[in-house]
Parts: sequence; structure tokens; C-alpha cells
Amino acid sequence: DGGITQSPKYLFRKEGQNVTLSCEQNLNHDAMYWYRQDPGQGLRLIYYSQIVNDFQKGDIAEGYSVSREKKESFPLTVTSAQKNPTAFYLCASSILGEYKSTEAFFGQGTRLTVV
Amino acid sequence: AQKITQTQPGMFVQEKEAVTLDCTYDTSDQSYGLFWYKQPSSGEMIFLIYQGSYDEQNATEGRYSLNFQKARKSANLVISASQLGDSAMYFCAMRIFGNEKLTFGTGTRLTIIP
Repeated sequence: DGGITQSPKYLFRKEGQNVTLSCEQNLNHDAMYWYRQDPGQGLRLIYYSQIVNDFQKGDIAEGYSVSREKKESFPLTVTSAQKNPTAFYLCASSILGEYKSTEAFFGQGTRLTVV
Repeated sequence: AQKITQTQPGMFVQEKEAVTLDCTYDTSDQSYGLFWYKQPSSGEMIFLIYQGSYDEQNATEGRYSLNFQKARKSANLVISASQLGDSAMYFCAMRIFGNEKLTFGTGTRLTIIP
């Protein structure tokens, strides 16, 4: 079945450590996105990518980094520079370039906790 | 810059009544799409309905309809005959075609009362 897989579901990190969240899709989508969601809050865009080897900063990119070496994969690294990384992280993907109902498909999320 | 505003942090609605969730947006682009998503307590994001900026008719999907008023830059979601299973967070989102940036509002927590 096609879809988006995020791993792990739960992640614990010590302060000062970098950690990488995985996002893989087999939907052949060009666009991929990373969002952060704090409790009871909306989704804030961290990074997005339209094509392999290219990505753009979203609204809250500081303290995060991404790569897009393959169409299927868009990993997110939460660096030690991110002051408050505890949150729910959602990855999404969609087709692009056409004016139609190209809704984004989401993974199940990764809940990151700094201990 | 694009922006989505949802001014209702929470709503309580009696079961079987209709409910309108507000969404206003701001963009200078002409070609864009508006989306509504539902997020139950499990955290998954469920796509509900889409409206394109050039679409002349309001979108409908089952019990969901989108009241699109382009001049006012509003895209309100209407849920008819609400059910207990409609209790969730609801997010409005906008995507600019061309740069593909997908931006979400802060959401509305809808609670259906039996």
C-alpha cells in the first residue's frame, strides 16, 4: 500500500544531542513537508521541498536541518540549537504543479521528548 | 507572505446541529488552493475538502461544504448534521500553486455534545 512512513513513533533525546526523524513515501510525490505541532496548537511549517536536492525554509526553520537526496526520503534533523524541541512532528507529501485538489498526505507523526 | 487565520479556538455544538468553522486567508497570489483537515485525538490528519481559487462553485463532500467568498478571502467549513465522531481539531490550510508552500491555521477544537 502507498503511503508515508514516519519513524520512530516516539523519540527521546538528551539535551545537547542532535536527532534525526525519518520520513519515507512511496506515493511518487514531488513535494514533501515537515511540520511541528505543539499541544493544542496548529501546524507550523519547518521546511519543504519540491524536488530532489532542493528545499526551502518554512516559518520556523531555525535549529532544524533537512536533506532531500532521494525523491522518497526527506529526513529532518533536530539540532542542539533548537531550544525547545519537545513537540509532535508531522511529515507530509503531495504532487505538485497542477491546479487541482492536490491534498497533502500525512504520516502518523513522531513525538519527540527532550529529557 | 501567506497567512491563514482561524479565530475560533474552541466550539461546542449540539449533536445533529450544523456548525460553521471560520477561516480567513491572506495572499497576493491569484492561483491557490484552500484545504480543510480534521485531526482526531489520535493525531492523524484527515483531508476533508478542497476549494481552488478559480472554482466558481462552492465545494461539497458529503456532510462537508466550503463557503468560499473570494472577495472577503474567507473559506468557512460547514458541517451539516453534526455527529459525535466530528469532535476533533479542524485546520484550514492554503497552498500557493507554483511555490508549493502549504500553510496551516492554528485550528479550531470542535466538541459535539450529545
